[in-house]
Amino acid sequence: DQQVKQNSPSLSVQEGRISILNCDYTNSMFDYFLWYKKYPAEGPTFLISISSIKDKNEDGRFTVFLNKSAKHLSLHIVPSQPGDSAVYFCAALSNTDKLIFGTGTRLQVFP
Amino acid sequence: DSGVTQTPKHLITATGQRVTLRCSPRSGDLSVYWYQQSLDQGLQFLIQYYNGEERAKGNILERFSAQQFPDLHSELNLSSLELGDSALYFCASSGNTGAGEAFFGQGTRLTVV
Repeated sequence: DQQVKQNSPSLSVQEGRISILNCDYTNSMFDYFLWYKKYPAEGPTFLISISSIKDKNEDGRFTVFLNKSAKHLSLHIVPSQPGDSAVYFCAALSNTDKLIFGTGTRLQVFP
Repeated sequence: DSGVTQTPKHLITATGQRVTLRCSPRSGDLSVYWYQQSLDQGLQFLIQYYNGEERAKGNILERFSAQQFPDLHSELNLSSLELGDSALYFCASSGNTGAGEAFFGQGTRLTVV
């Protein structure tokens, strides 16, 4: 049972444009949602999070939007840079402190 | 550097064997998570410990077990290994902020031959 889903395995965006990564979840009891970035041969690194009581959180070029009624969140990166090329994981924190990850979306930013 | 240390970085072993993966969390972090990432798969949650006690369990096989010691380091034991157990195993730690921000180690790549 995949509680956190990232339906797009890959995304290709031109440098300077906006990257939008999507994530859907099924459990309305999740307290926090997080995005992690992963380069090859490295562990995931935390990028940005949002509480379930908010609908937007912004940190520099990264903004996460949460639509609770649709059980959907998205990560916007603008402007996209070649260094943003990585695998992005969406994760959700349950009220039992279980951190559950999606399957990831590979973002490629080309010049 | 996340502050989370995993050893060994690479491990090659034969089917049927048993291995132990080790994780040292960030200083002060009480929670330790273990994840498995198979080829082209997402991060599968295995198990979480908090201050020495099992806190949450995911899709962890009965052949696998884990523990967290009084000094807060954790070990993941994998036994009767099968080819399909070949994967990257990540450990992550977090403080008790409630915000879920976990810091990951670089992983142990296990290859079962």
